[in-house]
Amino acid sequence: EVQLVESGGGLVQPGGSLRLSCAASGFTFSSYWMSWVRQAPGKGLEWVANIKQDGGDKYYVDSVKGRFTISRDNAKNSLYLQMNSLRAEDTAVYYCAREGPSYYMDVWGKGTTVTVSS
Amino acid sequence: QSALTQPASVSGSPGQSITISCTGTSSDFGGYNYVSWYQQHPGKAPQLMIYDVSKRPSGISNRFSGSKSGNTASLTISGLQAEDEAYYYCCSYAGSRTWVFGGGTKLTVL
Repeated sequence: EVQLVESGGGLVQPGGSLRLSCAASGFTFSSYWMSWVRQAPGKGLEWVANIKQDGGDKYYVDSVKGRFTISRDNAKNSLYLQMNSLRAEDTAVYYCAREGPSYYMDVWGKGTTVTVSS
Repeated sequence: QSALTQPASVSGSPGQSITISCTGTSSDFGGYNYVSWYQQHPGKAPQLMIYDVSKRPSGISNRFSGSKSGNTASLTISGLQAEDEAYYYCCSYAGSRTWVFGGGTKLTVL
């Protein structure tokens, strides 16, 4: 079964850091671009970042540039999101998603919740 | 990277058809035919319903269809069923391997 399982969410103070993980199974992880997508409470989806199969190319939404870093470990079938200098507006459910052969996201995890609050 | 524009809500009765629009600019939709649609039930992860404007993934009912004209994409659901009640999000490739989502539309089945 194709599956993505996120972990690492929690409560963190403004200015703090958190590292999210996404464990992939059931497919050849190293063959796909991977993305992080977030959803603030009661709000819509927002694409956050993605990373190429070999980790060589990475892209970010403007609001997280310089604060978040996406990475992957193909040997461990894992995707990561290092989040620094966290702000209240980063509070959201963070989803890990697989990008399909064309331009879409065809497999999603169940998400992990990040709350930034003092 | 501005969000695509969707109506906040639409509604329809069982058996009817509804259409959800998604409007962007030339910089998001541009010359790309890479529009996808996602269904999300409350508290659940999004699910891909349509990709590449009008293609359906395996397992998705043919009651769901997509189209695009200029800078507006549309999702049509025919033969509405109670289980279709959910939020629907459009998404477009925006160049340089980046993505932009719509604000989401709540579908109510009356």
